[in-house]
Amino acid sequence: NAGVTQTPKFQVLKTGQSMTLQCAQDMNHNSMYWYRQDPGMGLRLIYYSASEGTTDKGEVPNGYNVSRLNKREFSLRLESAAPSQTSVYFCASSEHTRYNTGELFFGEGSRLTVL
Amino acid sequence: TQLLEQSPQFLSIQEGENLTVYCNSSSVFSSLQWYRQEPGEGPVLLVTVVTGGEVKKLKRLTFQFGDARKDSSLHITAAQPGDTGLYLCAGLGFQKLVFGTGTRLLVSP
Repeated sequence: NAGVTQTPKFQVLKTGQSMTLQCAQDMNHNSMYWYRQDPGMGLRLIYYSASEGTTDKGEVPNGYNVSRLNKREFSLRLESAAPSQTSVYFCASSEHTRYNTGELFFGEGSRLTVL
Repeated sequence: TQLLEQSPQFLSIQEGENLTVYCNSSSVFSSLQWYRQEPGEGPVLLVTVVTGGEVKKLKRLTFQFGDARKDSSLHITAAQPGDTGLYLCAGLGFQKLVFGTGTRLLVSP
C-alpha cells in the first residue's frame, strides 16, 4: 500500500531557482494538503484542496503555488526560492473535507534546502 | 489565530519511567488529534478525542481531552525506546486543523 507518495525526498536549490514538489495519493481521498515543518513550529498549512479543481490558501501561502491536477495528484511549486523556504514539506490527504477533518495521512516528506 | 502550545518541548527519560505531555490553547476545539512522528517519516495518527472530558487509552498511552475542550494531555506509562519520537497534537477549530508546536521524546534503554 503506497498511501501518499512525495517526490523528491531531498532537494538543494539556489536562491531564485524554481521547483515543483509532487504528491500523489492512492486512497481516493477528496482532500489534499501541503504543510511545512520547521523546528519548534509544528506543522503549518501552506495550501489545501478540498476537492479536485479547488484550492485554498492556508496559514503560510506566500511564495508558493499549487495545482490539483486530478483527484490523485497535488503539486506545490516554488517560483523563486528563498532561504526562508528551507524546510521539510509534507503532503497529506484525508477522507473528509477541510471543514470536518478526519485522519490525515502523510507522505514521508521532502527536505528542501535553499542556499 | 488559534495556537496550540505543547510542553515540554523536549523530554529525555529512561526506559520504564512515566511521563505526561501537555497541549494547551486559549481556543475551543471541536476535536483534538494526537500524532506521532518518527525520524524521516510523516506523522501518524494515534487517537482522536471529541468530547470534553473524554479519556482514551491505547495500550500504555492515555489521552485526555479537557472539559472545556481547550487542552489535552498524553500520559505514557512505563515508557519504552519504541515510544521515541515527536508527538504532535492537532486541534480542529473553525474550519481549520491547527497543529501544536510538538514534544520530542527520547527514551533510553
